[in-house]
Amino acid sequence: EAGVAQSPRYKIIEKRQSVAFWCNPISGHATLYWYQQILGQGPKLLIQFQNNGVVDDSQLPKDRFSAERLKGVDSTLKIQPAKLEDSAVYLCASSLADISTDTQYFGPGTRLTVL
Amino acid sequence: GNSVTQMEGPVTLSEEAFLTINCTYTATGYPSLFWYVQYPGEGLQLLLKATKADDKGSNKGFEATYRKETTSFHLEKGSVQVSDSAVYFCALTPYTGNQFYFGTGTSLTVIP
Repeated sequence: EAGVAQSPRYKIIEKRQSVAFWCNPISGHATLYWYQQILGQGPKLLIQFQNNGVVDDSQLPKDRFSAERLKGVDSTLKIQPAKLEDSAVYLCASSLADISTDTQYFGPGTRLTVL
Repeated sequence: GNSVTQMEGPVTLSEEAFLTINCTYTATGYPSLFWYVQYPGEGLQLLLKATKADDKGSNKGFEATYRKETTSFHLEKGSVQVSDSAVYFCALTPYTGNQFYFGTGTSLTVIP
């Protein structure tokens, strides 16, 4: 079974530039998550999708971050414009369903450096 | 609210030593509890989980028991190996859904 795919793996941009990350979840997984992991911290949920609908985006900085999951499969996360404090690893995860006992499977992440 | 407090690292042990990484949680109701591991250069992987009180999760020689009375889910291994060097994250999902709340992670280095 293929895992969660993410691209790019690394990205370096200057502040005020835009950047986009892509995620392809495990086939058949209805729930998709984007997390931000700042160095030395645990992952923090940014947004959760159930199929192509948003379940939770309460911690997404909506003035600069946006995400979509068209057709309920792939997802993109965009930052526009980027700030220095956005430097982090952006993790995508997926699970079969939105229940508390379900395991989330994580992709390798995209490491973003904002200069 | 929901939160996880994890033992701070880094932790350095000699091979074959006993490992304990403490994890306590705050949650409403009965959360599910998880340990994830992140090996150098890799993504997060599920190590073990427990979904109700007194359950014991186990995998690869690691164990953790869901203790509701002490709101804890400590990770243990009887004899660590160099290959166990990684960052370990404790996490919970509330009973109302599966938004994950992660601890800050504990870095473990095992030396030969």
